[in-house]
Amino acid sequence: DAKTTQPPSMDCAEGRAANLPCNHSTISGNEYVYWYRQIHSQGPQYIIHGLKNNETNEMASLIITEDRKSSTLILPHATLRDTAVYYCIAFKTSYDKVIFGPGTSLSVIP
Amino acid sequence: GAVVSQHPSWVICKSGTSVKIECRSLDFQATTMFWYRQFPKQSLMLMATSNEGSKATYEQGVEKDKFLINHASLTLSTLTVTSAHPEDSSFYICSARAGIYNEQFFGPGTRLTVL
Repeated sequence: DAKTTQPPSMDCAEGRAANLPCNHSTISGNEYVYWYRQIHSQGPQYIIHGLKNNETNEMASLIITEDRKSSTLILPHATLRDTAVYYCIAFKTSYDKVIFGPGTSLSVIP
Repeated sequence: GAVVSQHPSWVICKSGTSVKIECRSLDFQATTMFWYRQFPKQSLMLMATSNEGSKATYEQGVEKDKFLINHASLTLSTLTVTSAHPEDSSFYICSARAGIYNEQFFGPGTRLTVL
């Protein structure tokens, strides 16, 4: 799996968009970019994933650069409930194991 | 999304006893299940991968005789912590993947405290 790097922490004002960056410069052509989040003392929650096109769902948008070396997760209107650790992971669609890095701790501030 | 449950959600046991944690996929068949552990303020650490009907594959440094994993059916995997000690106290999380989905679905976790 490609290694990903994320900032250790970020703050975001409530109601504003939260933009969480992720670098995955060694990603291979068949590896997807996945985002999960973990709210304190809960299991991780799937957010979104993409290969090379931008993706959007009811939770977030995922913007992947054309060279696929980085991506940004966008929470359009952050709420206090979005405070969590966000993990960016790259892996293939086959039976790859998912290895978590340290992630980004997002704090949404009132 | 698909639902994965874990039982129990928390358990306290005495040192030297064994504890079994169940992981179930409620609305899909999980061909592969994963077990993680997480210490406070740390990320999830993958312990093992199990495919239904096969022996689990353990990550380096994880004792397979201490952490017994059984994936006997497409909806159930169990993790047994044998002869638990205080250093085994942790948050144990399972996840499941169905063959037709790319994403893993995670259980809510089990908090184990060994006294």
